[in-house]
Amino acid sequence: DTAVSQTPKYLVTQMGNDKSIKCEQNLGHDTMYWYKQDSKKFLKIMFSYNNKELIINETVPNRFSPKSPDKAHLNLHINSLELGDSAVYFCASSLLGTRLGGELFFGEGSRLTVL
Amino acid sequence: RKEVEQDPGPFNVPEGATVAFNCTYSNSASQSFFWYRQDCRKEPKLLMSVYSSGNEDGRFTAQLNRASQYISLLIRDSKLSDSATYLCVVNLWGSQGNLIFGKGTKLSVKP
Repeated sequence: DTAVSQTPKYLVTQMGNDKSIKCEQNLGHDTMYWYKQDSKKFLKIMFSYNNKELIINETVPNRFSPKSPDKAHLNLHINSLELGDSAVYFCASSLLGTRLGGELFFGEGSRLTVL
Repeated sequence: RKEVEQDPGPFNVPEGATVAFNCTYSNSASQSFFWYRQDCRKEPKLLMSVYSSGNEDGRFTAQLNRASQYISLLIRDSKLSDSATYLCVVNLWGSQGNLIFGKGTKLSVKP
């Protein structure tokens, strides 16, 4: 069983479109995250939720909107896609929040290409 | 100065070699430290935490020097399967708890 699963794995879309990526974890963790890994390979946090509550919201355009319907799910919706949004988006979860040094378990990533 | 800086790599080594990666971090308030491993086109996975006294896990040894704000990872007797990118990761306690990832050092172990 995949611990952190995200869909879709690949997304190719036109500029200006809206897209969503879904993430689910079956580890019973309270904290979930969205990270972005761009073409230069930097992995940067975008959002973090603890038990459905937003706790980290980095400087991300408000075209990006996370939503956590329950603590096992964290979805990412992106409006008006731009070329610069092309990246791999990783969902992750941790038992302890990273504030307490918790290990991150990542999903396999969703590779978004904006044309 | 970047928050977490690593050797740029790539490191190309023969099987059986010993290889060391270095990492420096800029914020002296950083409290916990990790090495993650990321295979090509895969997700990062925790390799090991780094403790103040240094720690070893099989062929892997991690060291921390708080005074110099420096972390290292030593891999002994390299295997082909060690080929990956190694990410240095630093955490700031007391903040929102962001894990700050380095750009990674790519290792390629050749037969």
